[in-house]
Amino acid sequence: AQSVTQLGSHVSVSEGALVLLRCNYSSSVPPYLFWYVQYPNQGLQLLLKYTSAATLVKGINGFEAEFKKSETSFHLTKPSAHMSDAAEYFCAVTHNAGNMLTFGGGTRLMVKP
Amino acid sequence: KAGVTQTPRYLIKTRGQQVTLSCSPISGHRSVSWYQQTPGQGLQFLFEYFSETQRNKGNFPGRFSGRQFSNSRSEMNVSTLELGDSALYLCASSLKVGMNTEAFFGQGTRLTVV
Repeated sequence: AQSVTQLGSHVSVSEGALVLLRCNYSSSVPPYLFWYVQYPNQGLQLLLKYTSAATLVKGINGFEAEFKKSETSFHLTKPSAHMSDAAEYFCAVTHNAGNMLTFGGGTRLMVKP
Repeated sequence: KAGVTQTPRYLIKTRGQQVTLSCSPISGHRSVSWYQQTPGQGLQFLFEYFSETQRNKGNFPGRFSGRQFSNSRSEMNVSTLELGDSALYLCASSLKVGMNTEAFFGQGTRLTVV
């Protein structure tokens, strides 16, 4: 079965610092991986997705993620954190041929002024 | 273009009651999925529908059921509510079925069972 693990349920960075949110996947087949962001009392918004076209994926709001097969990782990064980046971030993988998503436990990002 | 609309946004029910949540997908989208989000269990998949057919079902008891109508709108029903059913229920719509298809989420329905 495919699954994702997010290391660190809480990450705190200073404004302007590098953001690194970790995601490792477990999959017996090439995975399709996603990063979603959730602001308080809101649904999920897609940041970016990996679909095997390129290992470095650029998303919205300056975020990007690199797919590393050798490390089974898909970490999310942003060079410079902004206060508005404070939210919860979820890594997810799809299953089989459907749209069913399996999510990691989430990482709450806090940005200090 | 309107997004995914979930109604109601907030709901308070008593143990033992039943509840129906509604989801209207983005116009033209034929796939609808439902997820339950709780602090303890995180985001868990409930069901997936495409063209009125249930394609996948998560590991939830039979008290949780859903359906999709010919206009792609979907409803989910929870019968005999338990305190543990308190959660944010999220609906996601997709244009089609496929592993790399983007899912667009609604704002969710916050269900509180007292």
